[in-house]
Amino acid sequence: QVHLVQSGAEVQKPGASVRVSCKTSGFIFTDHAMHWVRQAPGQSLEWMGWINAGDGRTKYSQAFQGRLTITRDTSASTLYMDLSSLTSEDTAVYYCARGIWVRGPGTYYFASWGQGTLVTVSS
Amino acid sequence: DIQMTQSPSSLSASIGDRITITCRASQGIRNYLAWFQQKPGTAPKSLIYAASSLQDGVPSKFSGSGSGTDFTLTISSLQPEDFATYYCQQYSSYPFTFGGGTKVAIK
Repeated sequence: QVHLVQSGAEVQKPGASVRVSCKTSGFIFTDHAMHWVRQAPGQSLEWMGWINAGDGRTKYSQAFQGRLTITRDTSASTLYMDLSSLTSEDTAVYYCARGIWVRGPGTYYFASWGQGTLVTVSS
Repeated sequence: DIQMTQSPSSLSASIGDRITITCRASQGIRNYLAWFQQKPGTAPKSLIYAASSLQDGVPSKFSGSGSGTDFTLTISSLQPEDFATYYCQQYSSYPFTFGGGTKVAIK
């Protein structure tokens, strides 16, 4: 059974950075692209980026270019999301999601989600 | 970026009702559309991909249709566990984008 278990809630000050982890099990980690999606309070969902867990290639939304780094530890089947230069606008629940490859457009759809990690940015 | 517009933004329905939610893309996305269900305080749950294919374990009371720019999610015979917010999402091109959500409440 697929499991994505994320790290606990974080409180950070403006200008700081945050790391959220996502430990996976129940599937071959290196066969998938792993994504991060966030949801600000009362808002819809926003895709942030993905990492190919096999070769480490990444793709980020332009909205986060320069601030977002996604990495993985294949030995631990764990995914990481680092977001820097935090502002109050980054207060949100952050989700990891397992992507399934779609040949046509060369993209992914989401099959499984982590439970979410609340990141609060406050002075 | 492709804009995804859902309607209605909310609806009230009774147990046993059949409901339909609409999602429109600002440009053609073929059938590269997914639907998610989200209950308060929990992660989204993947329901449908490729506009009409059910994810594993999703009951057949959920169905999706559409192609190009116009899509629908239908839930037949609403049950208490179906009251939630539903989102559509396109994965035709980057950045992936989501609709604003449709909250389904009990009448």
